[in-house]
Amino acid sequence: LAKTTQPISMDSYEGQEVNITCSHNNIATNDYITWYQQFPSQGPRFIIQGYKTKVTNEVASLFIPADRKSSTLSLPRVSLSDTAVYYCLVGGRDFNTDKLIFGTGTRLQVFP
Amino acid sequence: GAGVSQSPSNKVTEKGKDVELRCDPISGHTALYWYRQSLGQGLEFLIYFQGNSAPDKSGLPSDRFSAERTGGSVSTLTIQRTQQEDSAVYLCASSLASFSKNIQYFGAGTRLSVL
Repeated sequence: LAKTTQPISMDSYEGQEVNITCSHNNIATNDYITWYQQFPSQGPRFIIQGYKTKVTNEVASLFIPADRKSSTLSLPRVSLSDTAVYYCLVGGRDFNTDKLIFGTGTRLQVFP
Repeated sequence: GAGVSQSPSNKVTEKGKDVELRCDPISGHTALYWYRQSLGQGLEFLIYFQGNSAPDKSGLPSDRFSAERTGGSVSTLTIQRTQQEDSAVYLCASSLASFSKNIQYFGAGTRLSVL
């Protein structure tokens, strides 16, 4: 499974756009890139998933360059409630296991 | 239920006691996962079930840890002779199937404190 590297923490202010970049140099051909969000005392929650180019949903956008060795989660106009830990994961198709490898994530702090 | 349910939400036990943690996955989800999260840390994979079988037990930290799943639904994680280092939040997740594009849905976890 591909290892991911992302910043430990980021600070932002309400109303700003936040971009969190994750590197995954060893991504395999059949790997998808998935981002989860975790609030204190809760389990992680799926935000967005992509394979290549750009994906957008009501919560975020995910940008993936052609080489797929990195990805960027973009949160438009963050609010205080976006303060959380964000995890970038890359999972491969393995017929024996489908575990997710979580790193330490990026702790986003949004200030008023 | 609508989501993944875990019980108890909190468990305080004494060192050396056995504990059982329960997970009710989303109905119809064939894959079930257990993770452990220590304070301020990322998630550590423990075990994965596909149906009632566990193809991957590689994350279980010692033979004091075991898990089972019955009827392709409820799963129980058992920790025998608990140690203080077992204190953590134990998270369960389920997904529709086991493949690369799956999305895992997590419960709120069981916070285990070993005194």
